[in-house]
Amino acid sequence: DAGITQSPRHKVTETGTPVTLRCHQTENHRYMYWYRQDPGHGLRLIHYSYGVKDTDKGEVSDGYSVSRSKTEDFLLTLESATSSQTSVYFCAISEDGAQRAFFGQGTRLTVV
Amino acid sequence: DQQVKQNSPSLSVQEGRISILNCDYTNSMFDYFLWYKKYPAEGPTFLISISSIKDKNEDGRFTVFLNKSAKHLSLHIVPSQPGDSAVYFCAALGGSARQLTFGSGTQLTVLP
Repeated sequence: DAGITQSPRHKVTETGTPVTLRCHQTENHRYMYWYRQDPGHGLRLIHYSYGVKDTDKGEVSDGYSVSRSKTEDFLLTLESATSSQTSVYFCAISEDGAQRAFFGQGTRLTVV
Repeated sequence: DQQVKQNSPSLSVQEGRISILNCDYTNSMFDYFLWYKKYPAEGPTFLISISSIKDKNEDGRFTVFLNKSAKHLSLHIVPSQPGDSAVYFCAALGGSARQLTFGSGTQLTVLP
């Protein structure tokens, strides 16, 4: 299994509070991704990174920001959580962005 | 507008029979296609892939077929086993953005 750790695995937070999810990898892969999974939508890309301090938006980036200050860590921040951001969040890594990506175990976030 | 579509949310088959999961795409820039399998409370795991220069790729019980003219791919599982029961996601990669675009998934149930 690829070395990807997501933390926390579960979180319940209140509307309007900031939340940060962490993805840590031990594979030294260049590309890192944040996806959210919702019923009927599959996996949708939020943001991705193609190197330290190099990030770009995905399909559903509104309300989210990311940072990557080290190769191994990719942080996803919800500046002010809303109920529509209740979801399961997956981090993924890819060596070159050209082929398969490996996924973490996911973080279940509930915004109440 | 979904660029990768899986029109069947669910599929049930008997153990030992063939499972056929379908996927359609609209973006002609896609040049690499993947299938992922996902069990509950786990991250998606890579199953099989195919490049657009091929029309078939086989790995054990799993075969992926690509019909570029129809922008259609399918995953065949023969023989199906109860452990194959999972959600299957079709994904596509291509163009300048190195990011996977996923379908909405198909829940496969293999009945003993």
